[in-house]
Amino acid sequence: DTGVSQNPRHKITKRGQNVTFRCDPISEHNRLYWYRQTLGQGPEFLTYFQNEAQLEKSRLLSDRFSAERPKGSFSTLEIQRTEQGDSAMYLCASSFGQWGSPLHFGNGTRLTVT
Amino acid sequence: QKEVEQDPGPLSVPEGAIVSLNCTYSNSAFQYFMWYRQYSRKGPELLMYTYSSGNKEDGRFTAQVDKSSKYISLFIRDSQPSDSATYLCAMSARSYGGSQGNLIFGKGTKLSVKP
Repeated sequence: DTGVSQNPRHKITKRGQNVTFRCDPISEHNRLYWYRQTLGQGPEFLTYFQNEAQLEKSRLLSDRFSAERPKGSFSTLEIQRTEQGDSAMYLCASSFGQWGSPLHFGNGTRLTVT
Repeated sequence: QKEVEQDPGPLSVPEGAIVSLNCTYSNSAFQYFMWYRQYSRKGPELLMYTYSSGNKEDGRFTAQVDKSSKYISLFIRDSQPSDSATYLCAMSARSYGGSQGNLIFGKGTKLSVKP
């Protein structure tokens, strides 16, 4: 399978705990994106990387959220001190080239904060 | 007004019907337009990708973009039960609200094709 891979598929955590998600993009893709999707809504942009550089962060990305993409390969998204409002599907996507290129999504990590 | 408006449905059609899905948008800066299909508990899957105005056809799917009306459509011919999913429109601009071309999504339309 050469698509975008995300792990874990589902994470249940208690409020206040930290969680980390991993994304492995399509190998030749230089751009990597994180989106969040809640029930009945379209995905909302969180942040994106071009190679290893984090070029943009949404206002949705509070200081409890941090993302990294060491060496421009896989990426991790960490949420510290989780809140119930963080419960959502976290989607990773990758693309090749400049802006306007289509994004290819993984199957997401579903986070449930109890 | 949201940047991208999409009727959430649900939309139910009999097998074999022609399905029409639509989105409107408010910002004329959008230049790239995409349709994604999302099955339950899966990530969005790219269906169609178009630049600027015009039509694009791929098998049973046709995407139309009318930039003058700020309106995009996806048509599905000979719909099948396997087409039952949520369809998301998405679009991007070179620069939008400080963003560098990230995708703005509609809410998605839930489609059910009955055998």
